This record gives sequence, structure tokens and C-alpha cells, in this order.
Amino acid sequence: GAVVSQHPSWVICKSGTSVKIECRSLDFQATTMFWYRQFPKQSLMLMATSNEGSKATYEQGVEKDKFLINHASLTLSTLTVTSAHPEDSSFYICSATSARMNTEAFFGQGTRLTVV
Amino acid sequence: EDQVTQSPEALRLQEGESSSLNCSYTVSGLRGLFWYRQDPGKGPEFLFTLYSAGEEKEKERLKATLTKKESFLHITAPKPEDSATYLCAGDYNQGGKLIFGQGTELSVKP
Repeated sequence: GAVVSQHPSWVICKSGTSVKIECRSLDFQATTMFWYRQFPKQSLMLMATSNEGSKATYEQGVEKDKFLINHASLTLSTLTVTSAHPEDSSFYICSATSARMNTEAFFGQGTRLTVV
Repeated sequence: EDQVTQSPEALRLQEGESSSLNCSYTVSGLRGLFWYRQDPGKGPEFLFTLYSAGEEKEKERLKATLTKKESFLHITAPKPEDSATYLCAGDYNQGGKLIFGQGTELSVKP
């Protein structure tokens, strides 16, 4: 299957600071990338859909000014958590797909964010 | 609202004890049904995609089937390394967005 790389795997930051998470498709061009959030023992909740070269589409209840998404190229999308607070601590996962992949989405390994 | 519901939430098996996981879904508009495996602290790993009722796919000890209203993930003679959370997700033709079920946490004891 296709490879999606997420970086970093884990990060600890202080309250009030910003954190950037990268999602890269290593062996294909991802026209669409998705960002999910997962709390312990819960399933994945979609935060936003990101298409290359256009603004991200956020799900209801997700603050777009807090979770900044950039998809500047066909292989890279970034999620920046701005002014992080302890309640933002979670597992963030990206996935990537393209029209050629018949809607099969491949996931990154996830980023564990802890805000202290 | 499109929904995907998995049962049971947790399943404990002895090694070699076969069983099935269930995924029921909103039928209208479903384009594809996906199964993923997720290990603790990792992203989901793609297992299968099913597109039409009656379709079956196999991979090692796993077999996924699809009916008109639900999907099953059958695990034959499971081993401890099959322990993980299994997620199913529906594609409702919304630009690739997947609707996930809550997952089934499988534990296989030796």
C-alpha cells in the first residue's frame, strides 16, 4: 500500500504555544488529505478535509482559527495547533488519498500531542 | 445522518477461538465499506474495502464480508498478534471522507 508519513510521532508543548504537525505522502500525489482527532478508547473524528491549493473544509464544531491547515503541495499537508491548551491533548492522525486510489485512504502513524 | 456502528465494543478470545465482529451502516449512499486495524499509539492500517453486497475478501486469518445492511470481519483461529482495535468506516461519496465506527477492541489470549 501507499505510504503516509506523519511527523513528529509525539510532542509535548507548554500551554499557549503553537505546534505544527506534518503529513507527507511519500510515494504518491495526494490530492486530498484528511485530519482526524482521536481520544483514548474512542474512534477517529474527522476535523477537516484539505485539498491541495485550496482552503481546508472544517467539520462542524472545529475551530479553524485554532487548527490551521495548509496543503501547499501534493505531498505535504500541515496542521498547526495554535495557542494550545491541555484540552487539545490528543492523538492526531492524517490520511491521504488521490483519485487514482479508488477512495482508499492511507493513514499516517499519528502524532501524540500533550499540552502541559 | 450517516452512521456506522460496531459491535461488540470489546471482545476477548482464547487463541484459536474463531469469532466475528459486526459493523452495521446506513445503507443509503454507501459507496464503499472499509476495515482497518489499529494498534495502540499507531495510525489505522488498511485491511479491506468492500463495495457490493455478497463481496468477500480474505487476508491470512481475516475475512471480510458485506451484506445489504452490515459487514462482518471473521477471525479464524486467532493468535495473540491479532490483538488490536478493528475499525470499520463508510465512504458516502463525500470527497473521500470516511465515517468511522467506534471500533472493536480485540484481545486474544494464549
